[in-house]
Amino acid sequence: QQQVKQSPQSLIVQKGGISIINCAYENTAFDYFPWYQQFPGKGPALLIAIRPDVSEKKEGRFTISFNKSAKQFSLHIMDSQPGDSATYFCAASRRIYGNKLVFGAGTILRVKS
Amino acid sequence: NAGVTQTPKFQVLKTGQSMTLQCAQDMNHEYMSWYRQDPGMGLRLIHYSVGAGITDQGEVPNGYNVSRSTTEDFPLRLLSAAPSQTSVYFCASSYSSSPGGELFFGEGSRLTVL
Repeated sequence: QQQVKQSPQSLIVQKGGISIINCAYENTAFDYFPWYQQFPGKGPALLIAIRPDVSEKKEGRFTISFNKSAKQFSLHIMDSQPGDSATYFCAASRRIYGNKLVFGAGTILRVKS
Repeated sequence: NAGVTQTPKFQVLKTGQSMTLQCAQDMNHEYMSWYRQDPGMGLRLIHYSVGAGITDQGEVPNGYNVSRSTTEDFPLRLLSAAPSQTSVYFCASSYSSSPGGELFFGEGSRLTVL
């Protein structure tokens, strides 16, 4: 039973396009939603994170959109570049459980040049 | 600046063998954890520790043991390896167990159990 459902499983985007990855969660007690980026042969690394008191957070070309009522959040990568090709994981946690992150299944992004 | 160091990077075991995956961090982080990564399942928490001498179970703890005798080290022990434990294992640490603390991951240990 996956508490955080992520889609799509894989994604191919042309260079300069917008990459969109979606996640849905069930546990309304979750109050921290990070995205991690993983390159082949490496461990995941924090990309961007959001708390449920805001609906959007932007860092450079990366934006998280958060819809609390729908229990969904998404990652948008604007002007996608070949260097963005990686696996992306959404995650969630409950404040009282500290850093016990629950991860989505991951999305393999390929940006074609 | 080493960060989180995992050894070995690759290991092949036979069913029933035991082994220890090593994890060390040099950032004086309180919180350390072990995840396993399997295709289509993301990363799943095995065990975690909020400080030296304190450990607890995650989502998939069966077949694994951990201990935390020092702040720096958090080894993961497989007692009797099974093919279902074939996976990539990641150790991660953060400064505090409070949420919002960035998790720093090692580069992973790829384990194959025959």
